[in-house]
Amino acid sequence: EPEVTQTPSHQVTQMGQEVILRCVPISNHLYFYWYRQILGQKVEFLVSFYNNEISEKSEIFDDQFSVERPDGSNFTLKIRSTKLEDSAMYFCASLGLAPNEQFFGPGTRLTVL
Amino acid sequence: KNQVEQSPQSLIILEGKNCTLQCNYTVSPFSNLRWYKQDTGRGPVSLTIMTFSENTKSNGRYTATLDADTKQSSLHITASQLSDSASYICVVRPMFSGGYNKLIFGAGTRLAVHP
Repeated sequence: EPEVTQTPSHQVTQMGQEVILRCVPISNHLYFYWYRQILGQKVEFLVSFYNNEISEKSEIFDDQFSVERPDGSNFTLKIRSTKLEDSAMYFCASLGLAPNEQFFGPGTRLTVL
Repeated sequence: KNQVEQSPQSLIILEGKNCTLQCNYTVSPFSNLRWYKQDTGRGPVSLTIMTFSENTKSNGRYTATLDADTKQSSLHITASQLSDSASYICVVRPMFSGGYNKLIFGAGTRLAVHP
């Protein structure tokens, strides 16, 4: 069964460093998403991406964040200068037409020291 | 403001027992309501999806109900198993979210099934 994959599973970084979280969505999906979940809190929408551009973003998704689909398979989330409060699980999701639902990856746990 | 509230926050039951989790939402209009299961440290996995016109949807031992008039949904788990221990998250997709399926998540109910 096709699935969304994410790498790395756990990333530890120093405050102020740049990180890139990687996702491989399901191959025939066209819509891609990033969510984050701070420990003990609810999952929060960050950004949606379609047709090589951002279609919607939340207020969390400020200038420190960017997304890219550098090739036909990868979908990345870059945080330019990490802050302590960026520590969270980051989930990638992709959406197909049938079934019309989002499939989530296993997440990347980001720890900012 | 679009919100999804869940209760209880946490629940402990014995293996083999049934339980019901509640979800109240203010998202209106909405396109569909989903229940996800999230194991610790993993991504959410879809259990059921209901459109605003559906009242109930089953997936094995999981049965979800929806009352669009009172804006309430429930997830009933029958004959619980140890592997049911997880967070159960109610998620609503607003009707008008730019067509890009932005989802609004509840905080989840953390279920622990004990032997």
